[in-house]
Amino acid sequence: QKEVEQNSGPLSVPEGAIASLNCTYSDRGSQSFFWYRQYSGKSPELIMFIYSNGDKEDGRFTAQLNKASQYVSLLIRDSQPSDSATYLCAVNRDRDDKIIFGKGTRLHILP
Amino acid sequence: NAGVMQNPRHLVRRRGQEARLRCSPMKGHSHVYWYRQLPEEGLKFMVYLQKENIIDESGMPKERFSAEFPKEGPSILRIQQVVRGDSAAYFCASSPGTLTAGWRDTIQYFGAGTRLSVL
Repeated sequence: QKEVEQNSGPLSVPEGAIASLNCTYSDRGSQSFFWYRQYSGKSPELIMFIYSNGDKEDGRFTAQLNKASQYVSLLIRDSQPSDSATYLCAVNRDRDDKIIFGKGTRLHILP
Repeated sequence: NAGVMQNPRHLVRRRGQEARLRCSPMKGHSHVYWYRQLPEEGLKFMVYLQKENIIDESGMPKERFSAEFPKEGPSILRIQQVVRGDSAAYFCASSPGTLTAGWRDTIQYFGAGTRLSVL
């Protein structure tokens, strides 16, 4: 099992709909989780972080964490064409405090 | 407060030449990370440094690649005798600290990257 797994996509979502991006991780002791957005040819940009079970909302973004299932997700409400990007899930690995990145999910918002 | 600064943004080298990539972390950040990203691929961890120390270089190729973060000045990623397969985007990230200092200190902020092209 890969340490941080994401579906590579592309995930196509109509404009205005909810985009749901999923990520699973293998290290049960991980404590902090991050979502980065990366536009083509640009650097990753932090958009959300979460460390407690449950939901965390910030504007149109909601991060959801379920440590028992080792699952973290990102919901984007009212999707806009400008949300089209690759979304990287990152997990802080407990045993050595290293941030492990998933390969990312390509999201395409259809106008 | 300036962000993570990387230079050059684009670097072109011929096979066999040396490439030097520079990274200045955000003010107040003492931890630097280097990643490589190939087209259509995810971020691959290369090395993690603190001032004057290499903490984890498990992602660095054993030959031709080296990294440093001196007491003064930027962190340098050095690639000797470049080959075409080294062509990639190299990103630097910095963070204030580690999880022992608090989970917020683990947040990594990325520079704009250096795109290396080997002819």
